[in-house]
Amino acid sequence: NAGVMQNPRHLVRRRGQEARLRCSPMKGHSHVYWYRQLPEEGLKFMVYLQKENIIDESGMPKERFSAEFPKEGPSILRIQQVVRGDSAAYFCASSLGQFSGNTIYFGEGSWLTVV
Amino acid sequence: KNEVEQSPQNLTAQEGEFITINCSYSVGISALHWLQQHPGGGIVSLFMLSSGKKKHGRLIATINIQEKHSSLHITASHPRDSAVYICALNTGTASKLTFGTGTRLQVTL
Repeated sequence: NAGVMQNPRHLVRRRGQEARLRCSPMKGHSHVYWYRQLPEEGLKFMVYLQKENIIDESGMPKERFSAEFPKEGPSILRIQQVVRGDSAAYFCASSLGQFSGNTIYFGEGSWLTVV
Repeated sequence: KNEVEQSPQNLTAQEGEFITINCSYSVGISALHWLQQHPGGGIVSLFMLSSGKKKHGRLIATINIQEKHSSLHITASHPRDSAVYICALNTGTASKLTFGTGTRLQVTL
């Protein structure tokens, strides 16, 4: 049973380009969370999705960032017109259910570098 | 004031030492997680606690809900334990987490 799979592991983008990060949750998990870890800072919640629905996007920057979790396929975090400040590690996590009693499983992370 | 505070921020220990990392929080929680992150690596969930104590190998995690405090202990520490240990809170019903800034542990030979 594969864990949470994220790709790419490392991504380099020039300023102004788009970055797409993918997350395939653990088999059977329908709840996905995206977190961002800026250099030398702690992890911060970005968005919580359930299949085809955004449940909580309170941590997402209002512009340039979007997330989806379609009925088929991985969850995607999309960053348009990237800037240097977007350079960070982006972690995806999944859980079986909505509630806090469920164990959360993290992916290996996607490291975005904007040059 | 941050909702979750960890101490110490940095910790150096010699192999074999007993290590304690502390996490204090100021909000009501439904669960507390201890996570491990190796440099440049992914995040591994070590424990999820809502009360009492849990043990896994050389790792022990305790939580005191009344005092809003949790500790992670590592017995007989080893260089492979070198990592950042992060305390994270579930503050609501959903699995959205609030993270501490982490404790960077270095275990030397």
